[in-house]
Formats: sequence, structure tokens, C-alpha cells
Amino acid sequence: GAVVSQHPSRVICKSGTSVKIECRSLDFQATTMFWYRQFPKQSLMLMATSNEGSKATYEQGVEKDKFLINHASLTLSTLTVTSAHPEDSSFYICSAISSGVVTEAFFGQGTRLTVV
Amino acid sequence: SQQGEEDPQALSIQEGENATMNCSYKTSINNLQWYRQNSGRGLVHLILIRSNEREKHSGRLRVTLDTSKKSSSLLITASRAADTASYFCANTGGFKTIFGAGTRLFVKA
Repeated sequence: GAVVSQHPSRVICKSGTSVKIECRSLDFQATTMFWYRQFPKQSLMLMATSNEGSKATYEQGVEKDKFLINHASLTLSTLTVTSAHPEDSSFYICSAISSGVVTEAFFGQGTRLTVV
Repeated sequence: SQQGEEDPQALSIQEGENATMNCSYKTSINNLQWYRQNSGRGLVHLILIRSNEREKHSGRLRVTLDTSKKSSSLLITASRAADTASYFCANTGGFKTIFGAGTRLFVKA
């Protein structure tokens, strides 16, 4: 299947700093990628839809100024958590859709963010 | 709420028993996927069932889909301790992938 690479897998940052997470589709072009957040013992919640060459679409309740998304190429989307606070500590996962015979979502390995 | 419902929320069984998890979704589907997640880890894709399919098998896994009821089930037969994980259904309906609430499965050795 298609491969989506997410980096870094773990990051610890100080409160008030910004953290950038990268999501790459390695063997296919993804005009659209998605970013999810998962708190402990909960499911994955869609945060935003990242569109190549245009602005991201955010889900209700997600602060767009807090979570900056850039999708500069067909294989790379980045999520920047700005002015991180401890409550932003979470597991962030990206996905990309491969639109072949069957539309299927492929997921990155996830990034564990800890804000101290 | 984004999520469909998944039941049970938690399931504890003995090794060798079968485990059944159910998922209901809210919107129309393109296909439905089931994922497994070990604690603190990424997602492992288990099986995809298309909207025009009713049942699919993969090894010890059996997935059914009832589009009239907007529901799906995942059956794991002859469970093993290593099957202990959280299981999520994900609805790729049209465009976005929306996850169910998940079932936490614990298989006792």
C-alpha cells in the first residue's frame, strides 16, 4: 500500500514555543491531507483538511491561528502548533487519500507531542 | 459530534474466545476501514470493506457491513493475548475519514 511518513515521532517542547510536524506521501501525490488529534484513551478527532496550494479547512472548535497548516507541495503538509501549552500535549496523526480504484486513507505513524 | 458510535467501549475476553465489535456511522460511506492501535502507537490498517460489499474476510478477521443500518462489525476469531489493542472503524465517506469512538479489547492469557 501507499506510504505516508510523519516526522518527528516524538517531540518534547517548552511551553510557549512552536513545534512543526511534517507529513509526507512517499509514493503518491496527495492533493489533500488530513490532520487528527488523539487524547489518551480517546478516538482520533479530525482537526483540519489540508489542501495543496490553498488554505486549510478547519473543523469546528479548532483554532486556525493555533494550528497552522501549510500544504506547499503535492507530497508535503506541515502542522505547526504555535505557542504550545501543556493542554496541547497529544498524539497527532496525518493521513492522505489515495484515489485509485478504491479511495483509501493512509496514515502516518503519528507524533507524540509533550509540552512541558 | 464527528464520531459514530462503537460498542462495546471496552471488551475483556479469554484467549481463544471470539471478539465482536460493532460500529455505527452517521453519513454515507465510500468504504469503511477498520484499524488497530496499540497503546501509544500508530494505526495499523486491518481491513477495508467497500460500500457495495456485505462481508469480507482476512485471516482471523471477519467484517460485515450493513449500509441500510449504517453499521459494521468486526469479528476476531480465536483471539490471542497479542490482539489486545484498541480497534477503530473509519468511514471514508466522500472525502473525509471519520473515526468511530473505538473499542478497547483486552484478551487475557
